[in-house]
Amino acid sequence: EPEVTQTPSHQVTQMGQEVILRCVPISNHLYFYWYRQILGQKVEFLVSFYNNEISEKSEIFDDQFSVERPDGSNFTLKIRSTKLEDSAMYFCASSQADEQYFGPGTRLTVT
Amino acid sequence: DQQVKQNSPSLSVQEGRISILNCDYTNSMFDYFLWYKKYPAEGPTFLISISSIKDKNEDGRFTVFLNKSAKHLSLHIVPSQPGDSAVYFCAASAGGNKLVFGAGTILRVKS
Repeated sequence: EPEVTQTPSHQVTQMGQEVILRCVPISNHLYFYWYRQILGQKVEFLVSFYNNEISEKSEIFDDQFSVERPDGSNFTLKIRSTKLEDSAMYFCASSQADEQYFGPGTRLTVT
Repeated sequence: DQQVKQNSPSLSVQEGRISILNCDYTNSMFDYFLWYKKYPAEGPTFLISISSIKDKNEDGRFTVFLNKSAKHLSLHIVPSQPGDSAVYFCAASAGGNKLVFGAGTILRVKS
């Protein structure tokens, strides 16, 4: 069964460093998303991407964040200058219609 | 963001009995509702969904009921199995884009 994959599973970085989280969505899906879950909090929406552009973004998704689909398979989330409060699980999701399918997540730890 | 609420943090059920997980929402623009199951250190796994034009959707042991007038939905699992023990998230979308998640309910199925 097709699935969304994410790398790395765990990323540790120092405050102020740039990180890139990678995702491979399900191959015939057209809509791509990033969510995050801070420990003990709800899963929260960051950004959605369709037809090579951002379709919606949350207040969290400020100028420090960017997304890219550099080729036909990968979907990346870049955080330019990480802060301590960026520590969270980051989930990539993809969909063909209304049901979104999630990857296993990347645990980002900012020290 | 309290648009989707799961008021029961946890639920304990005997194997073979019915599990009922509840979810309330406040945004009348929501038109699609989903349930996800999540194990520790994994991403949310899609279980079942329902459109706002329906009041019931069934898939094997899982049934979702939607009461639009009460802005309430529930997930019924019958019979419950020990492997169903996980965190269950209710999520909603308006117009098929970002998902808004509830806080989750921990289900424990005792054998």
